[in-house]
Amino acid sequence: GQNIDQPTEMTATEGAIVQINCTYQTSGFNGLFWYQQHAGEAPTFLSYNVLDGLEEKGRFSSFLSRSKGYSYLLLKELQMKDSASYLCAVKDSNYQLIWGAGTKLIIKP
Amino acid sequence: DTAVSQTPKYLVTQMGNDKSIKCEQNLGHDTMYWYKQDSKKFLKIMFSYNNKELIINETVPNRFSPKSPDKAHLNLHINSLELGDSAVYFCASSQGVAGAETQYFGPGTRLLVL
Repeated sequence: GQNIDQPTEMTATEGAIVQINCTYQTSGFNGLFWYQQHAGEAPTFLSYNVLDGLEEKGRFSSFLSRSKGYSYLLLKELQMKDSASYLCAVKDSNYQLIWGAGTKLIIKP
Repeated sequence: DTAVSQTPKYLVTQMGNDKSIKCEQNLGHDTMYWYKQDSKKFLKIMFSYNNKELIINETVPNRFSPKSPDKAHLNLHINSLELGDSAVYFCASSQGVAGAETQYFGPGTRLLVL
C-alpha cells in the first residue's frame, strides 16, 4: 500500500527553527508537495520538490531525497502565525496526490 | 477574487436526506477534485474530473456522485446521508495532472449528519 508518515504534533518557540519530517512509500513518484492548513481553513500550497536537494522560499525551505523516500520542511524565524498543520503529499505513478495526516505545529511565545 | 469557491460553508442535515455541495473555480483550470477530510485530518481523494474523464476512488460509496455542468463547476451530490458522512469536504482544481501542477483548494464545506 501507499503510505506517508509525518509526526502528529510538534512544538517550537517563536523566533526558532523547526524541521518537519516526512517519509513516504508510494507506487511511483511524480513529486512531493508541502501544504499549510490553518485550523478551519483550506490547505494552501507551500512548496514542490521533484529533484533531490533543497528548495528555498523565504523563511521556508523543503528538502527531498528520493533514494531515501524522505523530505523535510524547514521553517526559520518562526512566527505565531506559523501555528498550523503542515501536510506532506506525494504524487504517485497515476498522478494522484497521496496525503499524510499532517503535522500540527504549535508555536509558543 | 475567489479562485475556488464552495457553497454552502456549513451543512447540517438528518440521516437519510439527499444534499448537494457546489464548487466553482475561476482559474481556467482543466481538472477539478473532491476530497473528504475526516476528524483525523486525512485528506482522501474522492473524485477527479479532467476533460470529461471521471476518475473515481473505488472506496467511495456510490451514494456520492459528482456532476460537472461545465469545466468551471464540479458539484457533489450525496444520497441517503449517513452519520459517517460527517466531515469537511474540499473542492480543488489544478491546470492539469502533471507532476508540478499545484492543486488549489476551496474553503471547505463542513457537513454534519444527525
